Amino acid sequence: AQKVTQAQTEISVVEKEDVTLDCVYETRDTTYYLFWYKQPPSGELVFLIRRNSFDEQNEISGRYSWNFQKSTSSFNFTITASQVVDSAVYFCALSLVTQGGSEKLVFGKGTKLTVNP
Amino acid sequence: KAGVTQTPRYLIKTRGQQVTLSCSPISGHRSVSWYQQTPGQGLQFLFEYFSETQRNKGNFPGRFSGRQFSNSRSEMNVSTLELGDSALYLCASSLRAGNTEAFFGQGTRLTVV
Repeated sequence: AQKVTQAQTEISVVEKEDVTLDCVYETRDTTYYLFWYKQPPSGELVFLIRRNSFDEQNEISGRYSWNFQKSTSSFNFTITASQVVDSAVYFCALSLVTQGGSEKLVFGKGTKLTVNP
Repeated sequence: KAGVTQTPRYLIKTRGQQVTLSCSPISGHRSVSWYQQTPGQGLQFLFEYFSETQRNKGNFPGRFSGRQFSNSRSEMNVSTLELGDSALYLCASSLRAGNTEAFFGQGTRLTVV
């Protein structure tokens, strides 16, 4: 079965602290994609990153970085020097492509991040 | 380039009624997926449409249905509403089926009373 687990339900930090959001996934597929989305109070899911299962290179984008480790089925997300605007719910997701070419995203339960001034 | 547009943003309906939600994908995108978000179940896949055909369906009862038009706009319908259908319904558009870069709209907040 395909599953995404975000064990941290809520995290609260003070501005400028670094914070890591954990994501562990389960799938039997060899080809899959992993995502992180941010959901601010407005409700829209904002795409942050996509990583395919064959690319284990870590990625850095400004204050954001992602650590993909296939050996532990983890795809963790770190925000460096957090800011109040980073406050949101963050979702990790696993993309599955069916034989027919259709796709669906399996989401974790999300981690609510609160950055306090 | 306009993003994914969902209408209406908010909706209040009574149990037993039916509702239709609309989603206009990004121009040029032909795949539209629908997701339900509730506090208890989180984000769950409802269905995906591509070229007016339903390509994939999640584990929801038959009261949930959808369709896609030739201009790629999609509608989702829920009949005989139940209190548990209260949720944020999110639509995502992709360039093509199986394309793994999905862009989401702001959602329609449905409240069933």
